[in-house]
Amino acid sequence: DVKVTQSSRYLVKRTGEKVFLECVQDMDHENMFWYRQDPGLGLRLIYFSYDVKMKEKGDIPEGYSVSREKKERFSLILESASTNQTSMYLCASSSGGSYYGYTFGSGTRLTVV
Amino acid sequence: DQQVKQNSPSLSVQEGRISILNCDYTNSMFDYFLWYKKYPAEGPTFLISISSIKDKNEDGRFTVFLNKSAKHLSLHIVPSQPGDSAVYFCAASVANFGNEKLTFGTGTRLTIIP
Repeated sequence: DVKVTQSSRYLVKRTGEKVFLECVQDMDHENMFWYRQDPGLGLRLIYFSYDVKMKEKGDIPEGYSVSREKKERFSLILESASTNQTSMYLCASSSGGSYYGYTFGSGTRLTVV
Repeated sequence: DQQVKQNSPSLSVQEGRISILNCDYTNSMFDYFLWYKKYPAEGPTFLISISSIKDKNEDGRFTVFLNKSAKHLSLHIVPSQPGDSAVYFCAASVANFGNEKLTFGTGTRLTIIP
């Protein structure tokens, strides 16, 4: 069964901490994405990557960075966590071509206190 | 600037009846549309899609309709079942040689009443 795995289901971090959210896919997909989901705002794209060591900003990249050193792993980094980054974070991957859509992980619920 | 909009945050439908979820978009460059379903504490899962060259696509109980002139798509679920209770997101993309990224709507919470 193909999978996108996010390392943590729930995280609680303090304001100002550096936070790493990890995502691994086993489908040999080229494309990987980080979204956040907030009530009333839907899913908003933070960053995406079409290849190893490549990254592009999405719609809301401020306060975030990413790393993709290997094809299967895409990490989201909160440089200095703030309370407005409390959210559900969803990682996804795709083989390219909208017909196939994305495969999502189960999400990480991050609370910044 | 919300390019994909779902104006109904919630919808309740009796079991066995038809559920109709609506989605509007503003970007005329979108050429592919998808619906995702999301249960609590799980990631969204792909449900059905449609290319802009079509106006209808069916898959079992699910049918998506696309009206390009109105920039509107809808998802019909017939008959609705309790397991259909979830949040539904529509999404759209512009063809980009395999490097497409999806723009999602705000979601509609569907509740099926037994």
